[in-house]
Amino acid sequence: GNSVTQMEGPVTLSEEAFLTINCTYTATGYPSLFWYVQYPGEGLQLLLKATKADDKGSNKGFEATYRKETTSFHLEKGSVQVSDSAVYFCALIKNTPLVFGKGTRLSVIA
Amino acid sequence: NAGVMQNPRHLVRRRGQEARLRCSPMKGHSHVYWYRQLPEEGLKFMVYLQKENIIDESGMPKERFSAEFPKEGPSILRIQQVVRGDSAAYFCASSSGTGDDTQYFGPGTRLTVL
Repeated sequence: GNSVTQMEGPVTLSEEAFLTINCTYTATGYPSLFWYVQYPGEGLQLLLKATKADDKGSNKGFEATYRKETTSFHLEKGSVQVSDSAVYFCALIKNTPLVFGKGTRLSVIA
Repeated sequence: NAGVMQNPRHLVRRRGQEARLRCSPMKGHSHVYWYRQLPEEGLKFMVYLQKENIIDESGMPKERFSAEFPKEGPSILRIQQVVRGDSAAYFCASSSGTGDDTQYFGPGTRLTVL
């Protein structure tokens, strides 16, 4: 079946550091791919998405590129802020409801 | 444009009681999904509904759990005879179902079973 694997956390970075959170997927065909962010005590917010190979999703300085050849959708940000501290979920959808990774907790310290 | 609304935000029940969780989708959305999140885990799909129809309930426990999305009013997730293991955050999401499969999430209901 479809599945998503993302890097285990927690990830702790200093402010202005470069962020990469790895995400790979297994699916038949070409799923749509998403990154969601969950701030403490809140629901999930859509951060960005890509619907076909080589698409790049971007939002609030975050980017992720849909790589069909490596079945990956890694999340990157050039310079993180304390306010980016949250849990990040990679997810896919393809003829199924959303399938989520287990989440990666990011802590950014000043 | 109001987002997905869920209530209550927090719900406390004693073992054996019933829990009713409500979800109003985003305006213009006719597809509703329920997910459960256990502590320190990702979200697990439970059920997918359209108005008056259950489309996919493959993630629903076979007993005590039910869901509906009536023609009028919010979607309801109902848990009968709750047990401590039902304690979790329950999230509702909605989508337009018009070719865009993006799901938008509500703030969740945090259920605590004493």
